[in-house]
Amino acid sequence: DTAVSQTPKYLVTQMGNDKSIKCEQNLGHDTMYWYKQDSKKFLKIMFSYNNKELIINETVPNRFSPKSPDKAHLNLHINSLELGDSAVYFCASNPAGGREQYFGPGTRLTVT
Amino acid sequence: QQQVKQSPQSLIVQKGGISIINCAYENTAFDYFPWYQQFPGKGPALLIAIRPDVSEKKEGRFTISFNKSAKQFSLHIMDSQPGDSATYFCAASSGGSQGNLIFGKGTKLSVKP
Repeated sequence: DTAVSQTPKYLVTQMGNDKSIKCEQNLGHDTMYWYKQDSKKFLKIMFSYNNKELIINETVPNRFSPKSPDKAHLNLHINSLELGDSAVYFCASNPAGGREQYFGPGTRLTVT
Repeated sequence: QQQVKQSPQSLIVQKGGISIINCAYENTAFDYFPWYQQFPGKGPALLIAIRPDVSEKKEGRFTISFNKSAKQFSLHIMDSQPGDSATYFCAASSGGSQGNLIFGKGTKLSVKP
């Protein structure tokens, strides 16, 4: 299937741990994003990459570090997890010259 | 500062009725206005989008109305169905294909049979 995929779908971990979320798109898109959706369902941009280069880095704690090994993958590593990091994280992508963003299924992160 | 304001927060409509969700924006640099539909446990899915050079766009039962001078746009869902029950987000962006989306806070729509 052509899509944006994320792993894992659920992630439960304790405060202070380090975890990673992976995103892959096989749509041939050039730009990829990470969004955070909080408990009130508010969606907010965190990062965007274009062809492996960071474009947007919103006001996000430096405990969050995105990495793009190639233009089909954008991973999110989170250090020293805090309770407030609990949220659903969505990866998205859009094609070169296109505005339509396609979202992955999300990763629900719960920090206890 | 919230750049895209969405209302209402929740909406209950009878089957067959018209659902209307409104959004207002502040940044005149925005030049792309999509609507996303999100079902529980799923990612947002693009429903319909409009650019500011047109005042209306229709796709099936879904219509966007756009008022550039008022900096407002709205989603109309005609003949609303129970399967339309979801959370709807308006969004706006600038900066071309590398611009990130600024989302409204969402509207939870319930269509009663």
